[in-house]
Amino acid sequence: SQQGEEDPQALSIQEGENATMNCSYKTSINNLQWYRQNSGRGLVHLILIRSNEREKHSGRLRVTLDTSKKSSSLLITASRAADTASYFCATDAITSGTYKYIFGTGTRLKVLA
Amino acid sequence: SQTIHQWPATLVQPVGSPLSLECTVEGTSNPNLYWYRQAAGRGLQLLFYSVGIGQISSEVPQNLSASRPQDRQFILSSKKLLLSDSGFYLCASSRGNQPQHFGDGTRLSIL
Repeated sequence: SQQGEEDPQALSIQEGENATMNCSYKTSINNLQWYRQNSGRGLVHLILIRSNEREKHSGRLRVTLDTSKKSSSLLITASRAADTASYFCATDAITSGTYKYIFGTGTRLKVLA
Repeated sequence: SQTIHQWPATLVQPVGSPLSLECTVEGTSNPNLYWYRQAAGRGLQLLFYSVGIGQISSEVPQNLSASRPQDRQFILSSKKLLLSDSGFYLCASSRGNQPQHFGDGTRLSIL
């Protein structure tokens, strides 16, 4: 299947440090998205990067995409305790004109105050 | 923007009992709707998606079914729950290839 795999599965850092999470996927995509999930809650969209883009920024977030390696990374700079959450990448798959999204297994980030 | 309402937030059901989880969407019309299941500490598994009223596509064979009786209403059902149906169920909505909006989920425990 086209499932993304995040790496690492878990990450623990000190407040103020940068956090980097990686995502690999298997087939061609139109776009890749990153989502955040606080414990016991739904997912919240963070950023979308299209297949013809290589880098995108949003506040303290920086996303890169390398379609030749089928991989993406999410960098959170100057992390805060409130960034503690799970982060998922999602790749799109168009089936019969309908957009479906395949989610990775996630990275659990813990930011220590 | 879109708001996704899911209820109940938590549900404990005995094996063999029926299930009905409801999801409603505000702030958009004719959305694509999705049901996901998330096992503890894991990623999301797509169960069903719908592009319109009465149109349901199933992603994996299972003990569950879905229905879309109205444009912004999506229901997940089962006639007889199994232990393996336990999990965190999430409803999501999107338009075209735009990002998905998620509800806050239902945590289902089967005893």
